[in-house]
Parts: sequence; structure tokens; C-alpha cells
Amino acid sequence: AQSVAQPEDQVNVAEGNPLTVKCTYSVSGNPYLFWYVQYPNRGLQFLLKYITGDNLVKGSYGFEAEFNKSQTSFHLKKPSALVSDSALYFCAVRGDRGFKTIFGAGTRLFVKA
Amino acid sequence: NAGVTQTPKFRILKIGQSMTLQCTQDMNHNYMYWYRQDPGMGLKLIYYSVGAGITDKGEVPNGYNVSRSTTEDFPLRLELAAPSQTSVYFCASSYSVASGSSAQIRFYFGPGTRLTVL
Repeated sequence: AQSVAQPEDQVNVAEGNPLTVKCTYSVSGNPYLFWYVQYPNRGLQFLLKYITGDNLVKGSYGFEAEFNKSQTSFHLKKPSALVSDSALYFCAVRGDRGFKTIFGAGTRLFVKA
Repeated sequence: NAGVTQTPKFRILKIGQSMTLQCTQDMNHNYMYWYRQDPGMGLKLIYYSVGAGITDKGEVPNGYNVSRSTTEDFPLRLELAAPSQTSVYFCASSYSVASGSSAQIRFYFGPGTRLTVL
């Protein structure tokens, strides 16, 4: 069955420090992986995706994610967090043979000044 | 392009009432999706469509129906509203170019519809 796990409900980090938001997945076939961000009272915005190629994917707002096939993970990272990064982050997965895209439960990121 | 539009933005229903949530996209995307977002539960897929005339169930389809008569429109129907359907509903569309690193697969989300059933 297709699934996504975001094991942390909340991540707290100080401004300027590196941040990591974790995501693991399960899917048939090769995975297509995504990160989306939701700011308060707003819709979801695309951050980055992994389809194939380099395991390190760079996206919007300085975010990047590392695909690890053996660990079935796709953790979101940023070298230096900003207070404005505080938001709800969703990981999503789709198999390369299907059309269903499943989202994780979300991780709330708090960046403290 | 307007992108993905949803109407209404807010709605309050009484138990047992019915309504249709509208979703339209002007990007000529084949794929369209309906998700609901409950606090702490992330986004749950209700229904999706891979093209006009083709729909399929997602993770939580019970209590909902969809149709896809055109590429642009993907309405979601609630026939007998229940309090458990109180949620924020997001419509999304995407397209998929042939496989490979150039694959253009990402979602464009609508602004959401906040539905309360009392």
C-alpha cells in the first residue's frame, strides 16, 4: 500500500540553525516525491520534487531534500532557517505507475528568532 | 491563467443537506484531485480523475461523489452532509509529461473551501 510517514508533529529550530523535516514513504515502483508548504490560512505551495537523477534536489526558498532509496526517505533540509520558514510542511508520494498522490500528516516547523 | 479556482470559499450546512463544491482549472491539466484537510490528519485523498470521463476513489471516498465531464471542471458532491465532513477541501490539478528527469509532475492547489456541517 502507498503511504507517507512524517514522524514529527513539530520541529523547533533557532533562526540561523540548520533544519531537517523527516519523511519516509512506501510505494510500488519508483517513487515520485514532493514537498509542499502551507502558510497560515493559505493554500499549499510547491517546494520541490524528486523524479529521477541526483539524490539531492534543490527547491524554492533555499530548501533542499535528499532522496535515500535504501532508507525510503526524503528528508527536507535547509542550511540556515529563517523565522519566515515557520509553516506546515507536507511530504507526498506517487508511484511511477499510478496517479494517486498520497500526503503525509504534516510537520509544523517553528523557527525562533 | 487563473490556475485552480474553487467556490465557495466558506459554507455552513445543516446535517442532511447537500451541496456541490466547484473546482475549475484553466491549465489544460489531465489530472485533478480532491483532498480534505483535517487538523493533525494531513491531506486525505477523496477522489481523483485522470481525464474527462474517468474518476477513481481515493483514501476517503465515502459520502462523496464526483464527475468529470470536461477537462476543466471537477465538482465534488456531498449528498447527505454529516458533521464528520466538516473540513477544509482542496482541489488540485497536475499534468504529467513523459517519464524522465524532465517530467513535469507537480500539483497546483486551489485556495480551499472551508465547510462546516452543524
